[in-house]
Amino acid sequence: GAVVSQHPSRVICKSGTSVKIECRSLDFQATTMFWYRQFPKQSLMLMATSNEGSKATYEQGVEKDKFLINHASLTLSTLTVTSAHPEDSSFYICSANPGSGNQPQHFGDGTRLSIL
Amino acid sequence: AQSVTQLDSQVPVFEEAPVELRCNYSSSVSVYLFWYVQYPNQGLQLLLKYLSGSTLVKGINGFEAEFNKSQTSFHLRKPSVHISDTAEYFCAVSKTGNTPLVFGKGTRLSVIA
Repeated sequence: GAVVSQHPSRVICKSGTSVKIECRSLDFQATTMFWYRQFPKQSLMLMATSNEGSKATYEQGVEKDKFLINHASLTLSTLTVTSAHPEDSSFYICSANPGSGNQPQHFGDGTRLSIL
Repeated sequence: AQSVTQLDSQVPVFEEAPVELRCNYSSSVSVYLFWYVQYPNQGLQLLLKYLSGSTLVKGINGFEAEFNKSQTSFHLRKPSVHISDTAEYFCAVSKTGNTPLVFGKGTRLSVIA
């Protein structure tokens, strides 16, 4: 079945570091991918919609200069958390749709980001 | 806009007992409905989905859910739970497969031996 791969699975780094997270669709092409954030013991909240070949669409309250999204190919979207601070510590997860509009999205395994 | 309400944040249940996790949604348009399971420190796994057709949907791991349009509900059920079912369960809606999901706050199912 359709597989979405997310890398890295866990990152621990110092405050001020920029961190890049990759989301790949392994056996299908995805013109659209979604990035969600999940704080501890909370639900997943949509951060942005990543569009291949064009600018990402950000949800209200999400800083586009803080969370840089690049969707340069039909199988790869990247999320870069720039100058990360402890409040950016969270679980980041991406999803993509493998085909027509009536198929469910497939999720990556997520990235646990911890900023010290 | 869509919204999802999961009424129970935590549900403890004894092993081999039945369980129902409740989900209600709000939408001005037709939606697709989903249940996902999340094990600790892992991503989301699709349990089942309702797109159209039969209102009783069967999923993996013995779970099923029933779509009730009049009550705008999509409750998840399992007749006999196992210890391995302990996890966080999320109900979600979307307008289509290509639109982002709106999630409920999740229900923590704890199965007690």
